[in-house]
Amino acid sequence: EDKVVQSPLSLVVHEGDTVTLNCSYEVTNFRSLLWYKQEKKAPTFLFMLTSSGIEKKSGRLSSILDKKELFSILNITATQTGDSAVYLCAAERYGNKLVFGAGTILRVKS
Amino acid sequence: DARVTQTPRHKVTEMGQEVTMRCQPILGHNTVFWYRQTMMQGLELLAYFRNRAPLDDSGMPKDRFSAEMPDATLATLKIQPSEPRDSAVYFCASALGLAGGDRTGELFFGEGSRLTVL
Repeated sequence: EDKVVQSPLSLVVHEGDTVTLNCSYEVTNFRSLLWYKQEKKAPTFLFMLTSSGIEKKSGRLSSILDKKELFSILNITATQTGDSAVYLCAAERYGNKLVFGAGTILRVKS
Repeated sequence: DARVTQTPRHKVTEMGQEVTMRCQPILGHNTVFWYRQTMMQGLELLAYFRNRAPLDDSGMPKDRFSAEMPDATLATLKIQPSEPRDSAVYFCASALGLAGGDRTGELFFGEGSRLTVL
């Protein structure tokens, strides 16, 4: 059965801290790994990773995929209160199906 | 401003009633997904369509749930009869599947329909 596991389940940090969120997956016919940020409403897209070892960056966020060890990490540097959200990881199978993890709840305190 | 539109945003109903949720995907997107999100289960895929044809509805309880795409601009998810355990937020998402059929890429999510079944 396809499985995506995220850790930690929740995290509380102070503004300015750096955080690392983890995502491991076991998915047949794996194609790509996606990260989403969910605040109060719909998940919004952050990154899609298809190749191992190539870091993707967007401002203070970055992510990398390890297809050998079947995991990905999402880093956020110099955290701000606006980074508080649920971060979702999803593994995409060939044939378009995405399997989501349960998410990591991040709370950034000022 | 292209976005996925879902209605209703909130629905409170009584057990046994029929519920229909609607989704308008982003114009030009040919792949539409229905997800259900609960605290306990997270985001679960219920069904998805490519070019209006159902590709996978294995995540959907068949006895009470049905999903259709009457045309390219409308997807529906119906629950009949509804039960309290169906209470959740139902998300529709759309994407552009490229030629060859496999590529989904980024999913764009609607704002969700929050369903409460009493």
